[in-house]
Amino acid sequence: GAGVSQTPSNKVTEKGKYVELRCDPISGHTALYWYRQSLGQGPEFLIYFQGTGAADDSGLPNDRFFAVRPEGSVSTLKIQRTERGDSAVYLCASSPAGRRGTGELFFGEGSRLTVL
Amino acid sequence: LAKTTQPISMDSYEGQEVNITCSHNNIATNDYITWYQQFPSQGPRFIIQGYKTKVTNEVASLFIPADRKSSTLSLPRVSLSDTAVYYCLVDAGNNRKLIWGLGTSLAVNP
Repeated sequence: GAGVSQTPSNKVTEKGKYVELRCDPISGHTALYWYRQSLGQGPEFLIYFQGTGAADDSGLPNDRFFAVRPEGSVSTLKIQRTERGDSAVYLCASSPAGRRGTGELFFGEGSRLTVL
Repeated sequence: LAKTTQPISMDSYEGQEVNITCSHNNIATNDYITWYQQFPSQGPRFIIQGYKTKVTNEVASLFIPADRKSSTLSLPRVSLSDTAVYYCLVDAGNNRKLIWGLGTSLAVNP
């Protein structure tokens, strides 16, 4: 498809388990973002990639969260020792590199994580 | 804290024009104003972006006064399918660390 693809769409896990969420951005988009959205709230920034490197990971809540983008395309968000408070929708977005002000973000449908 | 303030909710009827105003008193010289729409169980979708005066596209218009301390998203002749949450954001146009508030939940009634 032409849009941002996220898998799984739904993930239910138990407290303490390890989870991986995958994002396949739009082909050619060099910028990739992960956000987290809780019910009734706006998206909360987690991490931003420019190419393969994490240009800004200041939004990751703690060291249980980690994300990679080894080839500058697909990204994986990894959550260790999940906690009930990690339950949320995890959104991925991509955008082409471009001039300031061209700023459209293209979002995926999100991965809904439920930690029991 | 979000850089913007907008109404939590609005109600309208099919066929009406809806105007959602957003306050951003501390907007910086380099900041752009961007609006996104989000339906339940979907990611946000870009609607429009502007820097000053007026911007119009096929779905909306964005009005920005000279002092840029506020902006108004105008949706002409809304339909039921425009029921969604609308987010107003300001940033330097590079999407880095966008701060999202609660948005405005628009309900369009028949």
